[in-house]
Amino acid sequence: DIQMTQSPSFVSASVGDRVTITCRASQGISSWLAWYQQKPGKAPKFLIYTASNLQSGVPSRFSGSGSGTDFTLTISRLQPEDFATYYCQQANSFPLTFGGGTKVEIK
Amino acid sequence: QVQLQESGPRLVKPSETLSLTCTVSGGSISPYYWSWIRQPPGKGLEWIGYIYYSGSTIYNPSLKSRVTISVDTSKKQFSLKLTSVTAADTAVYYCARHQTAVKGTFLNFFNFWGQGTLVTVSS
Repeated sequence: DIQMTQSPSFVSASVGDRVTITCRASQGISSWLAWYQQKPGKAPKFLIYTASNLQSGVPSRFSGSGSGTDFTLTISRLQPEDFATYYCQQANSFPLTFGGGTKVEIK
Repeated sequence: QVQLQESGPRLVKPSETLSLTCTVSGGSISPYYWSWIRQPPGKGLEWIGYIYYSGSTIYNPSLKSRVTISVDTSKKQFSLKLTSVTAADTAVYYCARHQTAVKGTFLNFFNFWGQGTLVTVSS
């Protein structure tokens, strides 16, 4: 199985901050990576696919980059509605696997 | 807009079978791929397996011996059965649809999700 490791596990940030979350794959996955946002009690929301493509309707302050084993999710100017947990997911091979999550908290 | 709704018993006894159904509304069940994903309380996401509308499946090897996913296109539903459950199977179970790419191909990302249903394994 491909292991997905996210860092940090927690981020404490303020509205307007730039936040960067890292996801590392245990082996190369080309650009087969997605990012999701999850708020408490809700299903994950699809944000970014194939590493850098923004899903329709997702604000442009979200961006993704990377390929191979190292990927980043950046929120350029954190908004109140962005406080949530973020997960990466690889789709290079089965079983599909997720990172452990990064919780973005209010400072 | 496609909507997915999970249904089934919320409490299952240890060693018994967990059974859930996902009903698709606002869109067709074909020609899409559909997955089950679970999340233990306070923990991360685990992919269980997928089914194509035609019935072909792929399961997570960690659960393969206990999992069956099936589809009923006439009812626009797909189902999950997980046998011999233990407390470790307590989780929120989500159904989800795989993303459609250009030219009708599919990606193994999930762009539509059900709201999730918490299933507790306890006697």
